[in-house]
Amino acid sequence: DTGVSQNPRHKITKRGQNVTFRCDPISEHNRLYWYRQTLGQGPEFLTYFQNEAQLEKSRLLSDRFSAERPKGSFSTLEIQRTEQGDSAMYLCASSLSSGSSYEQYFGPGTRLTVT
Amino acid sequence: RKEVEQDPGPFNVPEGATVAFNCTYSNSASQSFFWYRQDCRKEPKLLMSVYSSGNEDGRFTAQLNRASQYISLLIRDSKLSDSATYLCVGTDAGNMLTFGGGTRLMVKP
Repeated sequence: DTGVSQNPRHKITKRGQNVTFRCDPISEHNRLYWYRQTLGQGPEFLTYFQNEAQLEKSRLLSDRFSAERPKGSFSTLEIQRTEQGDSAMYLCASSLSSGSSYEQYFGPGTRLTVT
Repeated sequence: RKEVEQDPGPFNVPEGATVAFNCTYSNSASQSFFWYRQDCRKEPKLLMSVYSSGNEDGRFTAQLNRASQYISLLIRDSKLSDSATYLCVGTDAGNMLTFGGGTRLMVKP
């Protein structure tokens, strides 16, 4: 399968714990995006990388959220001190920076439940 | 006010019907628009881009009206497999994709 993959697919954690999610983009894609989606809403943009550079991070929901893409391949999204309001689907997408950079391909998401 | 707004539906239509969705956007500087499709508990997938001149892909037609700041999607001859949530997408001031809340379509036999 050469699509975007995300792990884990589901995560249940207790409030106050830290969680980390991983995204592996399509191999030739140099742009990688993180979104959050809650029930009945469309995806909400969080941050994106071009190669290893994080070019937009002002939309991260709070300073408890951080993302990395150290070698320009896979990326991780960490949420520290989770709160119940963090429960959502976290989606990763990737694209090329040439051509139509808006053609983003999404992974299956990581569903986070904070109890 | 959300940057992209859609009627959440659901739109319940019989097979073979024609159905149209509209969405409105508030950022007049938005450059690009798209329709994505999202099946229940699945990831969004690009359905089609939306051009000022309008574009058609099989049974699907998308239109953009910049003067009125709305986008439409028309589905002809609806199939059961068209049942999904349709997300209207524009670009925001930072050129990032901004999604509407989605319109749910249920096609019934």
